[in-house]
Amino acid sequence: AQSVTQLGSHVSVSEGALVLLRCNYSSSVPPYLFWYVQYPNQGLQLLLKYTSAATLVKGINGFEAEFKKSETSFHLTKPSAHMSDAAEYFCAVSDGPTGFQKLVFGTGTRLLVSP
Amino acid sequence: NAGVTQTPKFQVLKTGQSMTLQCAQDMNHEYMSWYRQDPGMGLRLIHYSVGAGITDQGEVPNGYNVSRSTTEDFPLRLLSAAPSQTSVYFCASSSLDRGDEQFFGPGTRLTVL
Repeated sequence: AQSVTQLGSHVSVSEGALVLLRCNYSSSVPPYLFWYVQYPNQGLQLLLKYTSAATLVKGINGFEAEFKKSETSFHLTKPSAHMSDAAEYFCAVSDGPTGFQKLVFGTGTRLLVSP
Repeated sequence: NAGVTQTPKFQVLKTGQSMTLQCAQDMNHEYMSWYRQDPGMGLRLIHYSVGAGITDQGEVPNGYNVSRSTTEDFPLRLLSAAPSQTSVYFCASSSLDRGDEQFFGPGTRLTVL
Protein backbone atom coordinates (compact mmCIF):
# COMPACT_ATOMS: atom_id res chain seq x y z
CA ALA A 1 0.00 0.00 0.00
CA GLN A 2 1.13 3.52 -0.70
CA SER A 3 1.44 6.19 1.93
CA VAL A 4 3.00 9.56 2.58
CA THR A 5 4.23 11.05 5.81
CA GLN A 6 4.44 14.77 6.34
CA LEU A 7 6.75 15.79 9.16
CA GLY A 8 5.44 18.68 11.18
CA SER A 9 1.79 19.66 11.35
CA HIS A 10 2.82 23.33 11.59
CA VAL A 11 5.81 25.19 10.17
CA SER A 12 6.47 28.85 10.99
CA VAL A 13 8.76 31.07 8.96
CA SER A 14 9.41 34.77 8.63
CA GLU A 15 8.63 36.60 5.43
CA GLY A 16 11.64 36.26 3.11
CA ALA A 17 12.92 33.09 4.78
CA LEU A 18 13.34 29.69 3.17
CA VAL A 19 10.29 27.43 3.19
CA LEU A 20 10.92 23.70 3.61
CA LEU A 21 7.99 21.30 3.97
CA ARG A 22 8.89 17.65 4.33
CA CYS A 23 7.25 14.64 2.71
CA ASN A 24 8.39 11.04 2.70
CA TYR A 25 6.63 8.35 0.73
CA SER A 26 6.23 4.62 0.77
CA SER A 27 5.36 2.83 -2.44
CA SER A 28 5.95 -0.62 -3.90
CA VAL A 29 5.79 0.76 -7.44
CA PRO A 30 7.36 3.87 -8.96
CA PRO A 31 5.33 6.63 -7.34
CA TYR A 32 3.59 9.62 -8.77
CA LEU A 33 3.89 12.42 -6.21
CA PHE A 34 1.99 15.64 -5.78
CA TRP A 35 1.89 18.74 -3.65
CA TYR A 36 -1.43 20.50 -3.19
CA VAL A 37 -2.12 23.80 -1.43
CA GLN A 38 -5.31 24.70 0.40
CA TYR A 39 -5.99 28.34 1.20
CA PRO A 40 -8.48 29.08 3.98
CA ASN A 41 -12.03 28.03 3.16
CA GLN A 42 -11.07 26.88 -0.32
CA GLY A 43 -10.57 23.61 -2.15
CA LEU A 44 -7.19 22.11 -2.97
CA GLN A 45 -5.08 23.45 -5.81
CA LEU A 46 -2.28 21.52 -7.49
CA LEU A 47 1.14 23.10 -6.83
CA LEU A 48 3.32 20.62 -8.66
CA LYS A 49 3.66 16.97 -9.57
CA TYR A 50 6.40 14.39 -10.14
CA THR A 51 5.64 11.86 -12.84
CA SER A 52 9.10 10.29 -13.40
CA ALA A 53 10.34 12.82 -15.97
CA ALA A 54 12.65 15.23 -14.09
CA THR A 55 13.59 14.77 -10.44
CA LEU A 56 13.48 18.53 -9.77
CA VAL A 57 9.97 19.77 -10.36
CA LYS A 58 8.99 23.42 -10.53
CA GLY A 59 5.48 24.47 -9.68
CA ILE A 60 3.40 27.56 -9.34
CA ASN A 61 4.13 30.53 -7.07
CA GLY A 62 7.88 29.85 -6.97
CA PHE A 63 7.65 26.44 -5.27
CA GLU A 64 9.72 23.46 -6.28
CA ALA A 65 10.26 19.91 -5.05
CA GLU A 66 12.96 17.34 -5.57
CA PHE A 67 12.31 13.62 -5.87
CA LYS A 68 15.00 11.64 -4.06
CA LYS A 69 14.51 7.92 -4.48
CA SER A 70 17.37 7.01 -2.12
CA GLU A 71 15.70 8.99 0.66
CA THR A 72 12.10 8.25 -0.43
CA SER A 73 11.48 11.96 -0.11
CA PHE A 74 9.70 14.70 -2.03
CA HIS A 75 10.26 17.84 0.03
CA LEU A 76 8.70 21.14 -1.01
CA THR A 77 10.81 24.31 -0.97
CA LYS A 78 10.58 27.99 -1.76
CA PRO A 79 13.59 30.29 -1.43
CA SER A 80 11.72 33.27 -0.02
CA ALA A 81 8.39 33.08 1.80
CA HIS A 82 5.65 35.58 1.14
CA MET A 83 2.72 36.37 3.39
CA SER A 84 0.39 35.01 0.71
CA ASP A 85 2.01 31.55 1.07
CA ALA A 86 0.27 31.03 4.40
CA ALA A 87 -1.92 27.97 3.79
CA GLU A 88 -2.10 24.25 4.38
CA TYR A 89 0.01 22.04 2.16
CA PHE A 90 -0.67 18.40 1.37
CA CYS A 91 1.65 15.83 -0.11
CA ALA A 92 -0.03 12.98 -2.00
CA VAL A 93 0.96 9.83 -3.86
CA SER A 94 -0.71 7.73 -6.54
CA ASP A 95 0.27 4.69 -8.54
CA GLY A 96 -0.32 6.42 -11.90
CA PRO A 97 0.07 7.11 -14.76
CA THR A 98 -3.01 5.67 -16.37
CA GLY A 99 -6.63 5.69 -15.35
CA PHE A 100 -8.18 7.34 -12.37
CA GLN A 101 -5.58 8.50 -9.88
CA LYS A 102 -6.47 7.33 -6.38
CA LEU A 103 -4.64 9.92 -4.37
CA VAL A 104 -3.38 9.00 -0.91
CA PHE A 105 -2.83 12.19 1.06
CA GLY A 106 -0.59 13.05 3.94
CA THR A 107 -1.99 14.71 7.04
CA GLY A 108 -1.01 18.18 5.91
CA THR A 109 1.36 20.91 7.08
CA ARG A 110 0.09 24.35 7.95
CA LEU A 111 2.54 27.06 6.91
CA LEU A 112 2.50 30.21 9.02
CA VAL A 113 4.32 33.28 7.69
CA SER A 114 5.10 36.16 10.01
CA PRO A 115 6.09 39.68 8.94
CA ASN B 1 -15.73 27.92 -16.82
CA ALA B 2 -17.06 27.58 -13.29
CA GLY B 3 -14.85 24.50 -12.76
CA VAL B 4 -16.07 22.22 -9.96
CA THR B 5 -19.00 23.53 -7.95
CA GLN B 6 -20.45 22.12 -4.75
CA THR B 7 -23.65 22.84 -2.88
CA PRO B 8 -24.42 23.54 -0.14
CA LYS B 9 -21.39 25.22 1.44
CA PHE B 10 -22.56 24.42 4.96
CA GLN B 11 -25.09 21.95 6.35
CA VAL B 12 -26.19 20.86 9.80
CA LEU B 13 -28.05 17.56 10.15
CA LYS B 14 -29.47 15.57 13.00
CA THR B 15 -28.48 11.95 13.45
CA GLY B 16 -30.54 9.75 11.15
CA GLN B 17 -31.43 12.41 8.63
CA SER B 18 -30.61 11.98 4.99
CA MET B 19 -29.22 14.45 2.50
CA THR B 20 -27.45 14.77 -0.82
CA LEU B 21 -24.30 16.77 -1.41
CA GLN B 22 -24.25 18.10 -4.94
CA CYS B 23 -21.21 18.27 -7.21
CA ALA B 24 -21.06 19.50 -10.79
CA GLN B 25 -18.24 20.18 -13.24
CA ASP B 26 -18.32 21.95 -16.59
CA MET B 27 -14.98 20.76 -17.95
CA ASN B 28 -16.33 17.58 -19.55
CA HIS B 29 -14.09 15.49 -17.29
CA GLU B 30 -14.56 11.75 -17.28
CA TYR B 31 -13.30 11.16 -13.75
CA MET B 32 -15.03 12.46 -10.64
CA SER B 33 -14.50 11.67 -6.99
CA TRP B 34 -15.49 12.49 -3.43
CA TYR B 35 -13.07 12.96 -0.54
CA ARG B 36 -13.63 13.76 3.10
CA GLN B 37 -11.20 15.87 5.11
CA ASP B 38 -10.84 15.37 8.83
CA PRO B 39 -8.43 17.14 11.20
CA GLY B 40 -5.08 15.38 11.38
CA MET B 41 -6.05 12.82 8.75
CA GLY B 42 -5.67 14.55 5.41
CA LEU B 43 -8.16 13.72 2.67
CA ARG B 44 -9.57 10.24 2.19
CA LEU B 45 -11.29 8.91 -0.92
CA ILE B 46 -14.96 7.94 -0.43
CA HIS B 47 -16.20 7.01 -3.92
CA TYR B 48 -15.17 7.72 -7.46
CA SER B 49 -16.50 7.44 -10.99
CA VAL B 50 -14.65 6.86 -14.27
CA GLY B 51 -17.63 7.79 -16.42
CA ALA B 52 -21.39 8.08 -16.53
CA GLY B 53 -22.96 4.95 -15.07
CA ILE B 54 -19.70 3.68 -13.55
CA THR B 55 -18.84 4.13 -9.87
CA ASP B 56 -16.54 2.39 -7.42
CA GLN B 57 -15.62 2.51 -3.76
CA GLY B 58 -12.67 4.30 -2.30
CA GLU B 59 -11.01 4.00 1.08
CA VAL B 60 -13.98 5.01 3.29
CA PRO B 61 -17.25 4.23 1.43
CA ASN B 62 -19.45 3.04 4.32
CA GLY B 63 -22.51 5.21 4.92
CA TYR B 64 -22.35 6.90 1.53
CA ASN B 65 -23.98 6.21 -1.83
CA VAL B 66 -23.19 7.69 -5.22
CA SER B 67 -24.49 7.51 -8.75
CA ARG B 68 -23.45 9.16 -11.99
CA SER B 69 -26.20 9.56 -14.52
CA THR B 70 -24.50 12.38 -16.46
CA THR B 71 -20.90 13.39 -17.14
CA GLU B 72 -21.41 16.68 -15.29
CA ASP B 73 -22.95 15.60 -11.99
CA PHE B 74 -21.78 13.31 -9.19
CA PRO B 75 -23.98 13.58 -6.08
CA LEU B 76 -23.04 12.04 -2.74
CA ARG B 77 -25.88 10.68 -0.61
CA LEU B 78 -25.94 10.15 3.12
CA LEU B 79 -28.89 7.85 3.81
CA SER B 80 -28.79 8.02 7.62
CA ALA B 81 -26.33 10.59 8.91
CA ALA B 82 -24.12 9.79 11.89
CA PRO B 83 -21.91 12.10 13.99
CA SER B 84 -18.87 10.27 12.57
CA GLN B 85 -19.76 11.79 9.20
CA THR B 86 -19.11 15.30 10.46
CA SER B 87 -16.42 16.45 8.07
CA VAL B 88 -15.56 18.67 5.14
CA TYR B 89 -16.39 17.03 1.83
CA PHE B 90 -14.58 17.78 -1.40
CA CYS B 91 -15.53 16.80 -4.90
CA ALA B 92 -12.86 16.56 -7.58
CA SER B 93 -12.69 15.92 -11.31
CA SER B 94 -10.01 15.10 -13.85
CA SER B 95 -9.80 14.26 -17.52
CA LEU B 96 -9.08 10.94 -19.17
CA ASP B 97 -5.75 12.11 -20.60
CA ARG B 98 -4.68 14.22 -17.57
CA GLY B 99 -5.90 11.97 -14.82
CA ASP B 100 -3.05 13.06 -12.59
CA GLU B 101 -4.33 16.63 -12.40
CA GLN B 102 -7.43 16.74 -10.23
CA PHE B 103 -9.50 19.89 -9.85
CA PHE B 104 -11.19 20.32 -6.49
CA GLY B 105 -14.39 22.07 -5.57
CA PRO B 106 -14.62 24.53 -2.65
CA GLY B 107 -16.02 21.96 -0.24
CA THR B 108 -19.12 21.36 1.88
CA ARG B 109 -18.80 21.57 5.65
CA LEU B 110 -21.20 19.07 7.21
CA THR B 111 -22.03 18.83 10.90
CA VAL B 112 -24.10 15.94 12.23
CA LEU B 113 -25.54 16.45 15.70
